[in-house]
Amino acid sequence: DSGVTQTPKHLITATGQRVTLRCSPRSGDLSVYWYQQSLDQGLQFLIQYYNGEERAKGNILERFSAQQFPDLHSELNLSSLELGDSALYFCASSVQPGTSGSNEQFFGPGTRLTVL
Amino acid sequence: AQKVTQAQTEISVVEKEDVTLDCVYETRDTTYYLFWYKQPPSGELVFLIRRNSFDEQNEISGRYSWNFQKSTSSFNFTITASQVVDSAVYFCALSESYTGANSKLTFGKGITLSVRP
Repeated sequence: DSGVTQTPKHLITATGQRVTLRCSPRSGDLSVYWYQQSLDQGLQFLIQYYNGEERAKGNILERFSAQQFPDLHSELNLSSLELGDSALYFCASSVQPGTSGSNEQFFGPGTRLTVL
Repeated sequence: AQKVTQAQTEISVVEKEDVTLDCVYETRDTTYYLFWYKQPPSGELVFLIRRNSFDEQNEISGRYSWNFQKSTSSFNFTITASQVVDSAVYFCALSESYTGANSKLTFGKGITLSVRP
């Protein structure tokens, strides 16, 4: 158990719909990351939040958005869903590196999204 | 731009064989970090190791060992005396070094390892 929790575990929805994925980081971790894992694209970084602020953006579609709340949990919102959005969505968190560095990220169990 | 290449896509071995998973990376940074993660059939991503670019010492942890060679931009992972429980997808990943906060991971495509009894 990594200490990162994600809900729901599975989500089945229809095209055009909107869903929200939720993530709670490990206690004390200020950084939260979202990744998408699909068969054709592999594991891709979507977005990072650090202590409530957006820190970095990757290959995140405009239909997707995220936020990190004061209690440090994060939500990933996916709207106008398409068949191609079906994937496993991971949240990860990490300890701060101090002045510089890059610590390991601990991943949640993922949310499997199926768009029909 | 950063890039991680795992040229092997699938490897199948018989239990107790040794197996090496290759990872080649590209980065323009002088300071960077390399990682290996394991994804068993259950789907979660499990952290295995982190190595910074200044530390080229090989590391051994039980049946696992890692060989980092900056000269060839490689960070290979060897499992000695493989077991059925080692069957999983293994990902190599790379991140830059940022001040004050960690950086995103750039993953390779992963290597599917099957260990047969």
